[in-house]
Amino acid sequence: QQQVKQSPQSLIVQKGGISIINCAYENTAFDYFPWYQQFPGKGPALLIAIRPDVSEKKEGRFTISFNKSAKQFSLHIMDSQPGDSATYFCAASSNTGFQKLVFGTGTRLLVSP
Amino acid sequence: NAGVTQTPKFRVLKTGQSMTLLCAQDMNHEYMYWYRQDPGMGLRLIHYSVGEGTTAKGEVPDGYNVSRLKKQNFLLGLESAAPSQTSVYFCASRPRDRGRTGYTFGSGTRLTVV
Repeated sequence: QQQVKQSPQSLIVQKGGISIINCAYENTAFDYFPWYQQFPGKGPALLIAIRPDVSEKKEGRFTISFNKSAKQFSLHIMDSQPGDSATYFCAASSNTGFQKLVFGTGTRLLVSP
Repeated sequence: NAGVTQTPKFRVLKTGQSMTLLCAQDMNHEYMYWYRQDPGMGLRLIHYSVGEGTTAKGEVPDGYNVSRLKKQNFLLGLESAAPSQTSVYFCASRPRDRGRTGYTFGSGTRLTVV
């Protein structure tokens, strides 16, 4: 069962454009929503994370928008750069069960020059 | 450099063979995890450990066994490899007191079962 649904599966954006990746979850016990960035041949690395008490978090060009009532959250990459080309995973966890992360299926982003 | 080291990086197995994947971390983290990554399926938790000598099943544990005899090492075993176990395997660790922001992943082991 896929507890975190992610879309799109792949995304092509021109340099300078906005990349948007969406995720939806079902488990209302989830209270931590991170995004991971993965480059080819590397393991995932934490990019940015949000908790449900805020609706938006921004770190540089990366912003998470969170809609608790809709059980959705999204990653926006402003002024996308070729160096942002990577696979992005959303994830979620609850404060129980040793806080295991549940991952979305991933989005492969390609930023064209 | 401190971090999570996985060995081997690549391996090809024949169906029915066995092997052990090693994960070693030098950050004194209590929690360790094994994930598998497959196209279109994201990362799925195989087994995890919350301390030396303890292990627990994750989402997709069938066909795998694990051991955590030392705090710094977490071993993933395949007793009789099957083509369905062709995947990229990632180990991760985190300290107990840093919560969910503290995950560190290794660079992965690419396993092909023919």
